[in-house]
Parts: sequence; structure tokens; C-alpha cells
Amino acid sequence: EAGVVQSPRYKIIEKKQPVAFWCNPISGHNTLYWYRQNLGQGPELLIRYENEEAVDDSQLPKDRFSAERLKGVDSTLKIQPAELGDSAVYLCASSPGQGEEETQYFGPGTRLLVL
Amino acid sequence: DAKTTQPPSMDCAEGRAANLPCNHSTISGNEYVYWYRQIHSQGPQYIIHGLKNNETNEMASLIITEDRKSSTLILPHATLRDTAVYYCIVSDPHTGTASKLTFGTGTRLQVTL
Repeated sequence: EAGVVQSPRYKIIEKKQPVAFWCNPISGHNTLYWYRQNLGQGPELLIRYENEEAVDDSQLPKDRFSAERLKGVDSTLKIQPAELGDSAVYLCASSPGQGEEETQYFGPGTRLLVL
Repeated sequence: DAKTTQPPSMDCAEGRAANLPCNHSTISGNEYVYWYRQIHSQGPQYIIHGLKNNETNEMASLIITEDRKSSTLILPHATLRDTAVYYCIVSDPHTGTASKLTFGTGTRLQVTL
């Protein structure tokens, strides 16, 4: 079974440029998460989807970040415009979303460097 | 969610048991203890979780104290591939349809020859 797929794996952009990350969750997983991980820190949740509905976006900086999950499968996270402080690893995770105690499955992440 | 406290780093010789402690003194009755690990340049990987009873799977064992204020993750025979950052997280899965995980800075386990 394929795991969570993310692309690109690496991205280097100049500040003020837009950037987008794509995530394909494990087939059949209804819940999808986007995390940001700064160097030396643990991942921090940005947004959580249940199917196509964003049910927790309280940590998403809405002035420059946006996300969508059309049709409740793939998801895209966008930053526009990017700032130097956005350099981090952006992780996508999914879980079945059908029961309690469920675990999250993470993708390899996209490493973003803003110059 | 309750906070956890873990040592920032630990060393373990290959083939020996690695015992990773975690304090969660403010854990509430509905909160589970989860362990994830993150190998360099990879996403976090689920290891094990429990509520009050000790748990064991093919990767590790989880020992939770009777008062639930602390726990220990045990890797019975550590290998070089177990070198990673290990995160102890407490979370109440009943607050929504999926567990909300709040990661700390974890314990960096270095397994050496």
C-alpha cells in the first residue's frame, strides 16, 4: 500500500514569491493534516481536514497561507507571498478518520527554503 | 492537551535495550500516551500508544505507571536504524474524529556501535 505522497520534496524560492505544496493521502483516509516543522522543533499543526471540510485551521496564518482539499482526497497548501521565516519542512499526514485512537501516517515532507 | 517532558538526548549501545522516559504529570483521565519517532529527513512514524495498561507491539513496549504520570518506551534490542528523535505525546482522541497531536521537541536517541 502506498504511503502519503508529497511533492515537491525540496523547493527554493525568493521571498515574496508564491509556492504550493501538494499532498496525496493514503487511499481511503478521510482525515488530512498539514504540519510545519521548524529546525530543531517538533511538527506544529497548521490545518486539519475531515473529507473536504477544514475543521481546525486555527494555527494557519490566513494572511498568506491557504489550503484546499477538493473532492476530499488530494490537498494543496499555498503560501503567497513567502517570507524568510517560512523556511521549514511542511509535512502532510492522513488518518482513517473513522474511529478513536487512530494513528496518523506522515509523508516525507517538503523542505522549503526562502532566500 | 497535557504537556510532556522528555530528556533532550540519550545514547544507547547497539543490541541493548533503549529506555526512553516521559513525564506527563498533568495527564487527564481520557488522554492516551502516544509515541512517534522521526528519523532524519523523514516524516514522523507511529510507534505505539496506550491508556493505562502496558502495551507491546513488534516495534516497542510501552510501560505506563499506575498513576499515569509517567511512561517509558522500551526498544528491546536497539539497532543503528533506531537512531531518531522520539516524541511522547498525550492526547484525547475523543475530542474529535481524529487525535490531535501536539509535538514537543522529543528525545534524540543515538544508537552507537
